[in-house]
Amino acid sequence: DAKTTQPPSMDCAEGRAANLPCNHSTISGNEYVYWYRQIHSQGPQYIIHGLKNNETNEMASLIITEDRKSSTLILPHATLRDTAVYYCIFINQGGKLIFGQGTELSVKP
Amino acid sequence: SAVISQKPSRDICQRGTSLTIQCQVDSQVTMMFWYRQQPGQSLTLIATANQGSEATYESGFVIDKFPISRPNLTFSTLTVSNLSPEDSSIYLCSVEGGQENIQYFGAGTRLSVL
Repeated sequence: DAKTTQPPSMDCAEGRAANLPCNHSTISGNEYVYWYRQIHSQGPQYIIHGLKNNETNEMASLIITEDRKSSTLILPHATLRDTAVYYCIFINQGGKLIFGQGTELSVKP
Repeated sequence: SAVISQKPSRDICQRGTSLTIQCQVDSQVTMMFWYRQQPGQSLTLIATANQGSEATYESGFVIDKFPISRPNLTFSTLTVSNLSPEDSSIYLCSVEGGQENIQYFGAGTRLSVL
């Protein structure tokens, strides 16, 4: 299974863009990158996913490098409610999400 | 997306007893998953529950401790048996939404064992 590496924590000022990096150098050609977040005391929430093209939805943008060895989740205008743990994840051959430790994002006023 | 209801949202149980957690989905789904999240940790997959077959358990989890039922395509239960304080965790169910393996999660059940 591909493994991901994320910084354990990041800070971001309210209203600014939050850029969360993820390294996944062992990703295979047909594995999607998924991003979830977990706000304290809640279940994980799906944010976005992609294969090789950049993706954007109402919550965030996902930038995947051309070699697919890394990606960045962008929250364009972070709010205090975006404070959460963000997970960069792959799905293995059994269809299972394998969670790493994620990045704890703190959005500060 | 799928809407998932988990019950109970939290419980406090005595050592040696069991707790059964229910997971109800608002649509029919093939695959349901059960996770454990120990305090301060990430999520760990316990088992995959498919309707009409026995659950598939991950390494370190056994059916005697975590029996799972999946009677139909919208419902599953996880029982945590013979509770000990080490079982104090958040237990979450998730379902696959069908579109490119996106999974949706319930709010979780917070279990404390005294």
